[in-house]
Amino acid sequence: SSELTQDPAVSVALGQTVRITCQGDSLRRYFASWYQQKPGQAPLLVIYGKNNRPSGIPDRFSGSSSGNTASLTITGAQAEDEADYYCHSRDSSGNHRVFGGGTKLTVL
Amino acid sequence: EVQLLESGGGLVQPGGSLRLSCAASELIFSGYAMSWVRQAPGRGLEWVSGISESGGNTYHADSVKGRFTISRDNSQNTLHLQMNSLRAEDTAVYYCAKERNGGVLDYWGQGTLVTVSS
Repeated sequence: SSELTQDPAVSVALGQTVRITCQGDSLRRYFASWYQQKPGQAPLLVIYGKNNRPSGIPDRFSGSSSGNTASLTITGAQAEDEADYYCHSRDSSGNHRVFGGGTKLTVL
Repeated sequence: EVQLLESGGGLVQPGGSLRLSCAASELIFSGYAMSWVRQAPGRGLEWVSGISESGGNTYHADSVKGRFTISRDNSQNTLHLQMNSLRAEDTAVYYCAKERNGGVLDYWGQGTLVTVSS
């Protein structure tokens, strides 16, 4: 079982805002990073650290954290944002890495 | 642009072995920790193994500990994953990924498929 918990599926209307959450005890100590994965493709880093976007990631993607919960927010979701999203961080020991189970985002 | 290219995947019988490789280009390979991540068909991402910049520190998920060994050759800009005693549940696409500070995986290869079946 994963030490990071995500909702399996979330939907959002085109142009609306959606928040995808990730819960785990290790998030009280370590930041989460977020990855987007579309079918048949490798994961793509979209958010890391406190709220950092790699070059080329649209600014509609943002991240936040409070207590044991990290969140990825997409403000004004687009059709191309439909994908699986995974959170990732260190586990409680700090040496290993762990992924959340993933959230399938559907843009309606 | 950083490029990571995995190789070595294929079909192997249960109990068999495979060695995956990941060739890195357009980066100072010895300056970064690296990881292997896998994804079973229709399933989520699973971190498998990680290695420090020098190779002096290695880490493996409990699911592969004692069977898989991560290593690197900084002179050849190459990451390896030696997989022994393979099981059906090891069937997955295996990705190598470069780590930036904090364990963030900022570059990924396209993956190599490992199928464990008789």
